[in-house]
Amino acid sequence: KAGVTQTPRYLIKTRGQQVTLSCSPISGHRSVSWYQQTPGQGLQFLFEYFSETQRNKGNFPGRFSGRQFSNSRSEMNVSTLELGDSALYLCASSGDTGGLYNEQFFGPGTRLTVL
Amino acid sequence: KQEVTQIPAALSVPEGENLVLNCSFTDSAIYNLQWFRQDPGKGLTSLLLIQSSQREQTSGRLNASLDKSSGRSTLYIAASQPGDSATYLCAALDSNYQLIWGAGTKLIIKP
Repeated sequence: KAGVTQTPRYLIKTRGQQVTLSCSPISGHRSVSWYQQTPGQGLQFLFEYFSETQRNKGNFPGRFSGRQFSNSRSEMNVSTLELGDSALYLCASSGDTGGLYNEQFFGPGTRLTVL
Repeated sequence: KQEVTQIPAALSVPEGENLVLNCSFTDSAIYNLQWFRQDPGKGLTSLLLIQSSQREQTSGRLNASLDKSSGRSTLYIAASQPGDSATYLCAALDSNYQLIWGAGTKLIIKP
């Protein structure tokens, strides 16, 4: 069974631009969650989607948004990029309906650099 | 507000030793606690998940315990090997259904 995949793996953008990151969960998993990892703040929860619905959202500004498609693939969008958005963005998927109650399987991440 | 702390931030031990990594949380109202490892430049690998009703979980040389009343979880690694070198993170699912992460313990196993 293929693991969680994220594209692209690396991305360089300039301030003010917007970016879209993609995450394909493990086949059969319907819950996808997103995280930001930085050296200063560590790992922080962004949001979780289940069956195309956002179930919970972390403490991030509205510039961070996401969506999930009917095939459970998810995208995360960041608008008006700031230097502080440079980070490793990780997504995770889990099976059943339990979402974050269940074991989380992570993708390799997308490394975003904002210049 | 839930806070998760991992001490020490870094640990270096000789190969073959048994070791314990610590994870503490401020609010005992958690649904579960999960341990992960992260290798440099890579994503996270799930090691063990302990539900709030459980006291411990075991997988191979790894054993994780959970004591909600004291706000602590420990990850025990038996007979450490150089391949165990990585950063170990714990995360607690809090009452607001958010995963709150510790900053991690960077473990180095010396051959």
